[in-house]
Amino acid sequence: GAGVSQSPRYKVAKRGQDVALRCDPISGHVSLFWYQQALGQGPEFLTYFQNEAQLDKSGLPSDRFFAERPEGSVSTLKIQRTQQEDSAVYLCASSLSGGWKSSTDTQYFGPGTRLTVL
Amino acid sequence: DAKTTQPNSMESNEEEPVHLPCNHSTISGTDYIHWYRQLPSQGPEYVIHGLTSNVNNRMASLAIAEDRKSSTLILHRATLRDAAVYYCILNDRGSTLGRLYFGRGTQLTVWP
Repeated sequence: GAGVSQSPRYKVAKRGQDVALRCDPISGHVSLFWYQQALGQGPEFLTYFQNEAQLDKSGLPSDRFFAERPEGSVSTLKIQRTQQEDSAVYLCASSLSGGWKSSTDTQYFGPGTRLTVL
Repeated sequence: DAKTTQPNSMESNEEEPVHLPCNHSTISGTDYIHWYRQLPSQGPEYVIHGLTSNVNNRMASLAIAEDRKSSTLILHRATLRDAAVYYCILNDRGSTLGRLYFGRGTQLTVWP
């Protein structure tokens, strides 16, 4: 089925390396979200895109985290100079609508990328 | 962010009904109540949502208290596949962004 896909599924990085995590949302979905999930915790919001516009990046934990969605479809979350505390599962979700309807739309999640920083 | 309170864990036997409670005493008039669940090693998946009236779909039912300060997710016949973490989330209809605030959820264990 044409769900949300993420790659890679697993990533091991040495502390200080840069990583790039990819999200392919459902085709035609306007809204795209990134969440971070630490072990044993619920997902926490990182950033939100409506088409190519990044409307909310208030959840990004530091300026080492950067996200983009240049053509309004595929998105990349980049983490520079990774630290051990960045180890987590990074989840991407998309939903059909943007704007005021987005709060009632179903969000469809990908399987996540598990990042381990050694 | 709107707050919800859920039990950390619950258990059920297979084929029995399960009632998962959620308290949201500070809910505002424009907050929708959403439920998502997360199976092991998977991303969360949508279960159901509602505003004021009780809701039913193929997966579950959502019973909302008259004062909207609490709600209950009902799985009519639990299966082993329903073992997951269940999240009760409030989402403001007036928000333009739709970000979801997950708590720690309720870990549901289903025994055969």
